[in-house]
Amino acid sequence: DVQLLESGGGLVQPGGSLRLSCLASGFTFSSSVMGWVRQAPGKEPEWVSIISADGRDAYYADSVKGRFTFSRDNSKDTLYLQMNSLRAEDTAVYYCAKEKSGSGWSFDSWGQGILVTVSS
Amino acid sequence: EIVLTQSPGTLSLSPGDRATLSCRASQSLSNNYLTWYQQKPGQAPRLLIYGASSRASGIPDRFSGSGSGTDFTLTISRLEAEDFAVYYCQHYGGSRLTFGGGTRVEIK
Repeated sequence: DVQLLESGGGLVQPGGSLRLSCLASGFTFSSSVMGWVRQAPGKEPEWVSIISADGRDAYYADSVKGRFTFSRDNSKDTLYLQMNSLRAEDTAVYYCAKEKSGSGWSFDSWGQGILVTVSS
Repeated sequence: EIVLTQSPGTLSLSPGDRATLSCRASQSLSNNYLTWYQQKPGQAPRLLIYGASSRASGIPDRFSGSGSGTDFTLTISRLEAEDFAVYYCQHYGGSRLTFGGGTRVEIK
């Protein structure tokens, strides 16, 4: 079974930094496009970033571009989302997700999500 | 940037009813990369439909997707108790993903 387990969330002050991790298992991680999606309380999901299988290419939502960096370590089956210059509007549950291959960035497996709260 | 508008915002129906959910794009989706998810409280979204009409693995055949261009539809042929949830459409294009605002299907 595919499993995605996020960690690293918590409370951080505005302007601060946080690094999320996502440990993957149950599938060929190194062949999979992976993404991060966040969801603020009571709101629709918002795409954050996506990364190619080999980690060479990453794309970002305009709302996080220049502040967040998405990377992966295929030797450890792990994703990383480095979040800098955090703002109150970054407060959300962050999900890592696996793309269904060839589906046009549709995510067929999701983690349980981890809460990031940006507040003073 | 393409905007996805879902309607209605809330659909009040009874088990056994047919549900028709709409997702309208602000521009024509030339690649038909339109996805539907179901989300229940406290859970991550669940993939239902990708490529506008392809059902994901393990999804019951009462769920179907259709449409092209700017107008897309998710149909649930006969609602079951576990189908009452929020449904989101999503589009991929121009190296970005966009979600619609969602339709809540609630028990009447």
